[in-house]
This record gives sequence, C-alpha cells and structure tokens, in this order.
Amino acid sequence: NAGVTQTPKFQVLKTGQSMTLQCAQDMNHEYMSWYRQDPGMGLRLIHYSVGAGITDQGEVPNGYNVSRSTTEDFPLRLLSAAPSQTSVYFCASSLDRGLWNTIYFGEGSWLTVV
Amino acid sequence: SQQGEEDPQALSIQEGENATMNCSYKTSINNLQWYRQNSGRGLVHLILIRSNEREKHSGRLRVTLDTSKKSSSLLITASRAADTASYFCATASTQGGSEKLVFGKGTKLTVNP
Repeated sequence: NAGVTQTPKFQVLKTGQSMTLQCAQDMNHEYMSWYRQDPGMGLRLIHYSVGAGITDQGEVPNGYNVSRSTTEDFPLRLLSAAPSQTSVYFCASSLDRGLWNTIYFGEGSWLTVV
Repeated sequence: SQQGEEDPQALSIQEGENATMNCSYKTSINNLQWYRQNSGRGLVHLILIRSNEREKHSGRLRVTLDTSKKSSSLLITASRAADTASYFCATASTQGGSEKLVFGKGTKLTVNP
C-alpha cells in the first residue's frame, strides 16, 4: 500500500514554463487536495476534489489548474510559472468527502521558479 | 484566511519534559486535527478530535478541545529528542456547502537531549 505518491520531488522551472505535479493515491479515497507551504505561512489550500469529475477552488487557486478524471489521480498544473509559485507542494487525500477521517499526505514536491 | 493559529510559534524544552501547544480558530468546526512535520518531510496525522469530544489520548499525546473558546491544546508528555518537529493544527469545517481543511502556521518544537 503506497499511500499518496507525488512526483517529481524536486523541480526547477524558468519563468513562463508550464509543468504538472503528479499525485496518485491507492486507497480509493474520495477527497484529494493540493496545498502549498511557504515559510511562516503554514499550508494553504490550492484546489480540492470530492470525487472523480468534481473539483473546486481553495484559498490560493490563481495560476493553477486541476482535473480529476479518475479516483486515483489528481494532477496539479502550473500554466505559466512565476517566481511567486516557488514553494513546497503537498498532495493529500482522505477517505470521505466530509473530512471525518485521517488525511494522508504525500512527501512533497519542492518547486523553484527562476 | 488561516483558520487555526498555533501558540507558541516556537518551543524549546529538555528531554523528559512535557510540551504544550495551543491552537485557536474562528468558526464552527466538524473536527480538529493535529499533524507533525519533520524537517523536509510530509505531514503525519497524529490525532483527530471531533467537535462533540472534549479530550482524546493517543500514547504520549493528549488533545483537548474547548468549542466554547474555539481552542485546542496538544500535550506531549515525557518528550524525546525524536519529537523535534513542527506541529500543526487543522480545522475541518463546512463552508459554503463544501468541506475544507485549513491549517495554522505551526509550532516548531525542539527537544534537547
């Protein structure tokens, strides 16, 4: 049971480039989400999904797109990278859409935009 | 905006001492969760306390919840050097018909051997 798997772990992008952070879970969880973590800011919610085909915006969605075509996968797309998107990104999942159960996190993706 | 706010921001103690971290939040919640994050790693779930519970234990961890004061505390007893990490509270709530988990900024705990 792999849990929540994020790739890549490290990435350097040039301003204006696009890329996709991959997230997969093998626990048949309904709820998946993406957070970014910046020094002194805690974790801020970017986008989330309560099931396949359903996505919604979180606190800081600008500059990011998501889709949920399958229960297992929830990729995060950076459309045109900006230095302000330099951060650590975490994918998370939970069994139910109501967040009544444990949230499982991936190990994080360190992104630097130069 | 951030829902949970931890206090203190940083805490340094000796091995064997108890560590207490506090979390305050602003709106009604479904549950409150505590997480640990070791440096350079992901978040690990420690404990979840539901809005109708007042206290919960897990090993050396004790969590209390006071919904009237909109606050929670995490107590780690008999701390060990391995407990050195950042600790975050997160509130799960229903906002605008959808459920969200919102994190505070964390408490950085250092346990000195």
